[in-house]
Amino acid sequence: GAVVSQHPSRVICKSGTSVKIECRSLDFQATTMFWYRQFPKQSLMLMATSNEGSKATYEQGVEKDKFLINHASLTLSTLTVTSAHPEDSSFYICSAKAGEGTDTQYFGPGTRLTVL
Amino acid sequence: QKEVEQNSGPLSVPEGAIASLNCTYSDRGSQSFFWYRQYSGKSPELIMFIYSNGDKEDGRFTAQLNKASQYVSLLIRDSQPSDSATYLCAVNSGYSTLTFGKGTMLLVSP
Repeated sequence: GAVVSQHPSRVICKSGTSVKIECRSLDFQATTMFWYRQFPKQSLMLMATSNEGSKATYEQGVEKDKFLINHASLTLSTLTVTSAHPEDSSFYICSAKAGEGTDTQYFGPGTRLTVL
Repeated sequence: QKEVEQNSGPLSVPEGAIASLNCTYSDRGSQSFFWYRQYSGKSPELIMFIYSNGDKEDGRFTAQLNKASQYVSLLIRDSQPSDSATYLCAVNSGYSTLTFGKGTMLLVSP
């Protein structure tokens, strides 16, 4: 159980374009989803916490106007990287919490973004 | 600031041995503790979680928690080369978010 999917798994885009990444909980309803970024050989960095039907909470140093998060349903959260630049190239991973009574997070497979 | 510390490794063990991975955390109010495994280029995969002091076993994996010492560990018995990965310790301190350690790389040699 507790399967989380992400799409796309890999994306290459030109500098200045926007990229949308989808995160779906397939077999449970996720009131809370999380977005992480991981650079090569570095640890996970939490970018934001996304709650269904409300605005995302961004971690310090993460630009909310650049990384737009929408959590419109209990099974879908999206991250849009706007006006992407080469320094945004990274591994973006979402996770979902399977309900309010648990704090266990299940991770999606991740999206590797390369900005040329 | 909540911190989770792990030795970055690599921890090298021969196949069939017991691998012992350790983690300390700073927030004494932490309530739940998680171990994730991350293969190179992949996302983290949940191995175990533990909430109470003592040991919790699941197959070849045993998580150990000592809240007084603010210490949590993961033992992997009969280590296999396929266990070679980075192991992330994560701690929840009563809020929605998890604080992750930087991970310990485990190398199991045939």
